[in-house]
Amino acid sequence: EPEVTQTPSHQVTQMGQEVILRCVPISNHLYFYWYRQILGQKVEFLVSFYNNEISEKSEIFDDQFSVERPDGSNFTLKIRSTKLEDSAMYFCASSALLSRDSNQPQHFGDGTRLSIL
Amino acid sequence: LAKTTQPISMDSYEGQEVNITCSHNNIATNDYITWYQQFPSQGPRFIIQGYKTKVTNEVASLFIPADRKSSTLSLPRVSLSDTAVYYCLARTSNYQLIWGAGTKLIIKP
Repeated sequence: EPEVTQTPSHQVTQMGQEVILRCVPISNHLYFYWYRQILGQKVEFLVSFYNNEISEKSEIFDDQFSVERPDGSNFTLKIRSTKLEDSAMYFCASSALLSRDSNQPQHFGDGTRLSIL
Repeated sequence: LAKTTQPISMDSYEGQEVNITCSHNNIATNDYITWYQQFPSQGPRFIIQGYKTKVTNEVASLFIPADRKSSTLSLPRVSLSDTAVYYCLARTSNYQLIWGAGTKLIIKP
């Protein structure tokens, strides 16, 4: 079964530095997402991406964050000027084109654990 | 905005049927109800989703009454490996998943 893959599995970065989290969505999927999960808390939506542009973003996704699909396979999340509170698991997900009557869920990677020191 | 509420935790025993009920507030008429399973240090894994009545797949059943104010995930004959956090989510028409706190299910031998 196709999978969403994320790299690295664990990223340790000094506060103030920039990080790029990488994701390879399932190849025939068209919608891409980033979520984060602070340790012990619920999953929080960050952003969705379709047709090379952001389709929706949450309040968390401020100017510190950006997303990009630099080529036909990767989907990246960049976090600039990292803060201690950015420490969390970051999950990438993808889904095929959805319509109301379809039944195609979001498929998640196993996440990148980001630790800001 | 849709919101889901489910029990924080549940215990059961191997071989039993487990039912986890979720209540939904402000579900739009075109919202699906989706359930995910999450093991520690892993991403959420899709279990089942439905719009109304009953949906069944190889791992679970989902019951959604006509008023769509709740849904019940049914796991038949659970095993120790079903110990995980289970999330009930509303999915809006623009595909954003609304996450609640989840139900931590512990299966005992």
